Amino acid sequence: QSVLTQPPSASGTPGQRVTISCSGSSSNIGSNTVNWYQQLPGTAPKLLIYSNNQRPSGVPDRFSGSKSGTSASLAISGLQSEDEADYYCAAWDDSLGVVFGGGTKLTVL
Amino acid sequence: QVQLQESGPGLVKPSQTLSLTCTVSGGSISSGGYYWSWIRQHPGKGLEWIGYIYYSGSTYYNPSLKSRVTISVDTSKNQFSLKLSSVTAADTAVYYCARMELSMIVIWGQGTMVTVSS
Repeated sequence: QSVLTQPPSASGTPGQRVTISCSGSSSNIGSNTVNWYQQLPGTAPKLLIYSNNQRPSGVPDRFSGSKSGTSASLAISGLQSEDEADYYCAAWDDSLGVVFGGGTKLTVL
Repeated sequence: QVQLQESGPGLVKPSQTLSLTCTVSGGSISSGGYYWSWIRQHPGKGLEWIGYIYYSGSTYYNPSLKSRVTISVDTSKNQFSLKLSSVTAADTAVYYCARMELSMIVIWGQGTMVTVSS
């Protein structure tokens, strides 16, 4: 049981916009910033979004993040086949340290 | 460009201690502002943060693992290490070392699979 709650799966067709939600509580998302990670099959996770809505250098602007209260979301616009991956939200929890969502498997149909 | 590489046994017997080392290259582990972390991923499952160490030696552990975890640093070798005691099959996972900045995990090692089995 993960501290942050994500839908286990999401899907979309090429070119579509998809969003992935992440729900937490006042001790994590409600009081700290949210980061998102992309994990391609067989590889280590990669930082995709940090500080709720910032993109590291090299991450396409098709990826965006937002946060409101104790929830956050990741949006991917102009969906591409190479976006097929697992996506994880994460935040610092004031009692538990770094907490992750259970991950969302994105399928590009 | 900083890179991290995990090393250690891929097979550990139940009740024994799992020991892994992370070697940092391309930068100094003594650089301030970074927290050197361990994260694991059970087969087919999500990510679990184990804990971190600062170059000064201060640590922060996941409360659910705290009683069994020790993370240490060797600045002379530019390495940090993980020890997890009294392992069971539930500790079978891919173990990643990583560099954290604030709460974000910016640089990840490639991961190493550790199986707990007799």
